[in-house]
This record gives sequence, C-alpha cells and structure tokens, in this order.
Amino acid sequence: DAKTTQPNSMESNEEEPVHLPCNHSTISGTDYIHWYRQLPSQGPEYVIHGLTSNVNNRMASLAIAEDRKSSTLILHRATLRDAAVYYCILRGGGGETSGSRLTFGEGTQLTVNP
Amino acid sequence: SAVISQKPSRDICQRGTSLTIQCQVDSQVTMMFWYRQQPGQSLTLIATANQGSEATYESGFVIDKFPISRPNLTFSTLTVSNMSPEDSSIYLCSVALRLTYEQYFGPGTRLTVT
Repeated sequence: DAKTTQPNSMESNEEEPVHLPCNHSTISGTDYIHWYRQLPSQGPEYVIHGLTSNVNNRMASLAIAEDRKSSTLILHRATLRDAAVYYCILRGGGGETSGSRLTFGEGTQLTVNP
Repeated sequence: SAVISQKPSRDICQRGTSLTIQCQVDSQVTMMFWYRQQPGQSLTLIATANQGSEATYESGFVIDKFPISRPNLTFSTLTVSNMSPEDSSIYLCSVALRLTYEQYFGPGTRLTVT
C-alpha cells in the first residue's frame, strides 16, 4: 500500500479555517485519497474522498495537488466538535475487496481552541 | 450511509477465555471488515469478512486466533480466542458502500483481558 505522511498534531482556533496537509509522493494513478476522522471514544467517521479534482461536501473540502503527490483537507470553520484524529488514507482502485481495504497511518491530532 | 451496531460495547475477560463480538448493519452490504485498535494507537485491519466463504486475514492475524463468521449480508461475528492481556484493545467492524467505497464504522467493543 502506498504510504501517506501527516503531521502528528495541529492546533486551530474555533471558527477559523483549518488546513490539514497530507503527503503521498508514491501514489499510483488509480489510488483514491480518503479522509476519515476519529473523535474521542468513537469509531472513525468518513469525511471525504477524491481522485484528481478538488471535492466539496457539507463537512469539508479536499484540495488535491496537480501532481497528486499531496492533498489538503480543509475545514472551513473549525468548531470544538472537530477536535479529532484525522487520517489521510490511500485506497487502491482494485476490485471490490482489494479496492476497499484501508490502511490507517498515525493521523493528525487536531486540537481546537475556544 | 450505513448504521452499525456492535455487541458487547465493552467486556472484561479472563486470560485463556474467548469472546465473541457481534456486528449488525442496517442494510445489506458486501464488504465488511474487522479492525483492532490497541491503546493509544491507530487502527489495524484484521480481516475481511466474506459472506459465504472464509474470511481473508491480513498478515499477522490467523483464523485460529480470530475466527470470523459472516452468515448473511447484514451480520458478522469476530471471536477473540484464548485471550491474553495483549489482546486488550478496541475491536471495530466496518462496512464499505459498493459504489463509493466509503467505509462506515461501528462504535467498537472495548476489551480488557486480565
């Protein structure tokens, strides 16, 4: 599985935008970029995913570099509830079973200050 | 999306015993997975639970230790056999949606082995 690199931790202030970076220099052409987050004492939660183009949903935006070797998860206005570990994961574009397996790294612990 | 429940939510077990964890999904899904999250660490994929056939285990995990059943498309069990304190972890099941491969996680089962 291709590897991702994320900062161990980041801090933000409430109601300010947060940009969470992820490097994936060995990404292959068929790898999708997925983001999940894990709030304290909960299972991970799907946030967003993309392949080449930038993506937006109600939770966040995903900006993907033109060479696809890095991406940034953008939370437009951080709230205290956004404090979590954020995982950037590459998902292979293979068949149903191999293409859906996820390999979690250590993620970024986001702290949101009131 | 999918809603996933797990039973039990937590348990304290003695060394040498076995515990079976149940995972129930509110809709039929093809792809179901079991993960382990050791204290303070990220998630590690244990196996893919295949309906109608044997589970597919990741490197380092074996069927004798973690037998998995998947009798239908909405239910699976994971058994942690002959437990030792090193098996103390949170065990999570997840499902992946067919078209988008977004994964949805259960709340986890917190296991403590004494």
